[in-house]
Amino acid sequence: DAGVIQSPRHEVTEMGQEVTLRCKPISGHDYLFWYRQTMMRGLELLIYFNNNVPIDDSGMPEDRFSAKMPNASFSTLKIQPSEPRDSAVYFCASSFQGVVDTIYFGEGSWLTVV
Amino acid sequence: KNEVEQSPQNLTAQEGEFITINCSYSVGISALHWLQQHPGGGIVSLFMLSSGKKKHGRLIATINIQEKHSSLHITASHPRDSAVYICAVLETSGSRLTFGEGTQLTVNP
Repeated sequence: DAGVIQSPRHEVTEMGQEVTLRCKPISGHDYLFWYRQTMMRGLELLIYFNNNVPIDDSGMPEDRFSAKMPNASFSTLKIQPSEPRDSAVYFCASSFQGVVDTIYFGEGSWLTVV
Repeated sequence: KNEVEQSPQNLTAQEGEFITINCSYSVGISALHWLQQHPGGGIVSLFMLSSGKKKHGRLIATINIQEKHSSLHITASHPRDSAVYICAVLETSGSRLTFGEGTQLTVNP
C-alpha cells in the first residue's frame, strides 16, 4: 500500500484565498484524522472521521475551516478565507481502530499564507 | 503545566550511545504513542502501548501506568536516528490524543 497520500505537499497562497488540502487514507482504514502542527502549539487534532462520518470537530479553529469525507478513500480540509495565522503543516492520518491502534501519517501539507 | 511532559527537550549523543527519552503525564490513560518526526517533516508511529514493554529492532518502549511514565530507549544509536520523538497519550475518558512537545535528538557520527 502506498500509505496515506496528501496533496499538495507545499502551498503558498495569499491571504483571503481559498485553500483545499486533500487526503487519501490507507485502504481499509475506518478512521481518518486531520492534524495541524505549528511551532507554538505543536500537534493538535482538528477533526476525525469514522466510516466517513465526522465524529469530533471540536478542534476546528473556526468557521473558516471545514472538512469533508465524501467516501472512504478521500477527504478534504478547506480553509476559506485563509489568514497568515493558518500557516502550518497539516497532516492527514488514518488507522483501523482509531487512536487505540497504530496511526499512519501522511507526509504533510506545508501551508504558507502571506 | 502541560498534561504531557517530555524530557529532555534536546539531546545530543555520539553514535553508539544508549539513549533514553522520557514522557510523564498527569491524567489516567488508556494508551500511549511514541512517534518519530524526521527533518523532512514526515511522522512515523513507532509504538502504541498500554502496559509493559515493546521492542522493535533497536527501539524499546516501556510504560509504568501507576507512575504515569513512559520511556523510549534507543540502543546503539546511529545518526539516522536523529529526529524529533513525540509522546502522545489517550486519556481514559477521551477519544483524542494529547501530544508532548517533542524531544529533538541529534546523533553525531
